[in-house]
Amino acid sequence: DGGITQSPKYLFRKEGQNVTLSCEQNLNHDAMYWYRQDPGQGLRLIYYSQIVNDFQKGDIAEGYSVSREKKESFPLTVTSAQKNPTAFYLCASSRTREGSPLHFGNGTRLTVT
Amino acid sequence: KNEVEQSPQNLTAQEGEFITINCSYSVGISALHWLQQHPGGGIVSLFMLSSGKKKHGRLIATINIQEKHSSLHITASHPRDSAVYICAVTSNTGNQFYFGTGTSLTVIP
Repeated sequence: DGGITQSPKYLFRKEGQNVTLSCEQNLNHDAMYWYRQDPGQGLRLIYYSQIVNDFQKGDIAEGYSVSREKKESFPLTVTSAQKNPTAFYLCASSRTREGSPLHFGNGTRLTVT
Repeated sequence: KNEVEQSPQNLTAQEGEFITINCSYSVGISALHWLQQHPGGGIVSLFMLSSGKKKHGRLIATINIQEKHSSLHITASHPRDSAVYICAVTSNTGNQFYFGTGTSLTVIP
């Protein structure tokens, strides 16, 4: 079955360490997205990529970095510059055709202490 | 101001009740999505619609493009319907997605 795989499900890090969240999809989608979810807030866009080797900042990109070397993979690095990294992170993908549905992974809950 | 507003924020219902969740949006859209998020966190797409009405089992989604409003109805609610329901829209400029803050539904047996 096609889908999006995020790993790990739970991640714990010490403050000051960079951490990379994995996102892999086998849906053959061109577009991939990283969202952050905090209690009481809608999903906020961190980064998105419409095509391999290209990506754009979303609304809250500061303290994060991404790469898109392969169509299937869009890893997110949470750097030590991110002031409040503890959150639930969701990866999604879609076709680039307007109005295409979003497919989500199961998320990674990151806790930084 | 959020591009997508949902109401209510929280909803508790008795098993069997008819439930309605509302969504209003302020941007031009190419599609509206209803999503379901269970306590584990993963999100699944329930509906994508751009006009009229869609039905899957006990779930019905409607949209009124002129009023920029959509509703999600659940008939004969069941405890397994307990989840967060999120309304999202795809803008008609640049294929961007905007999300509501979600409605947390609890159905009591």
